[in-house]
Amino acid sequence: GQNIDQPTEMTATEGAIVQINCTYQTSGFNGLFWYQQHAGEAPTFLSYNVLDGLEEKGRFSSFLSRSKGYSYLLLKELQMKDSASYLCAVRDSNYQLIWGAGTKLIIKP
Amino acid sequence: TAGITQAPTSQILAAGRSMTLRCTQDMRHNAMYWYRQDLGLGLRLIHYSNTAGTTGKGEVPDGYSVSRANTDDFPLTLASAVPSQTSVYFCASSDTSGGPNEQFFGPGTRLTVL
Repeated sequence: GQNIDQPTEMTATEGAIVQINCTYQTSGFNGLFWYQQHAGEAPTFLSYNVLDGLEEKGRFSSFLSRSKGYSYLLLKELQMKDSASYLCAVRDSNYQLIWGAGTKLIIKP
Repeated sequence: TAGITQAPTSQILAAGRSMTLRCTQDMRHNAMYWYRQDLGLGLRLIHYSNTAGTTGKGEVPDGYSVSRANTDDFPLTLASAVPSQTSVYFCASSDTSGGPNEQFFGPGTRLTVL
């Protein structure tokens, strides 16, 4: 079967750095996505990785290792507004997204 | 631009009743999707449409039907609602012509079936 694993919840301090991990086992691989979802709102696109390595976009970076079935999202200089759930999704061989359950990130002052 | 709109925002429905959740996008995206999101689970694909006039079944299609008569609209119908269909429903769209083809989501419909 297909499976995306990510931690259920993480806590970090304002101004700090946090890394959210995602491991996957899917039927094929055609890219990995990270989305942010604030409580009661829709998911919004953060980043996309299809090749191994690091993609940097402002305070957010995403890393991919296809051989290990592993990705992480790195958030720097945390702000209170970063409190949200972070969803990892993999596009499989059918070009459909398989979603993890999300990691709820709590930022404390 | 509005992006993707969904209606209604929320609804309480009696079991056995039918209902159509509406979804409209103005981005001219070719592909559209319906997901349900339940606590502790990832988004699960119900149905999808790669282009107007075609639809396909996702991971959890039973009890739901869709149509794609044109590019902009992708309604989801529950023929006879059951309590297990209580969920938050998200419609999404993407342009699959190139690039990462990220999906853009509507604001969601919160459905309670009693």
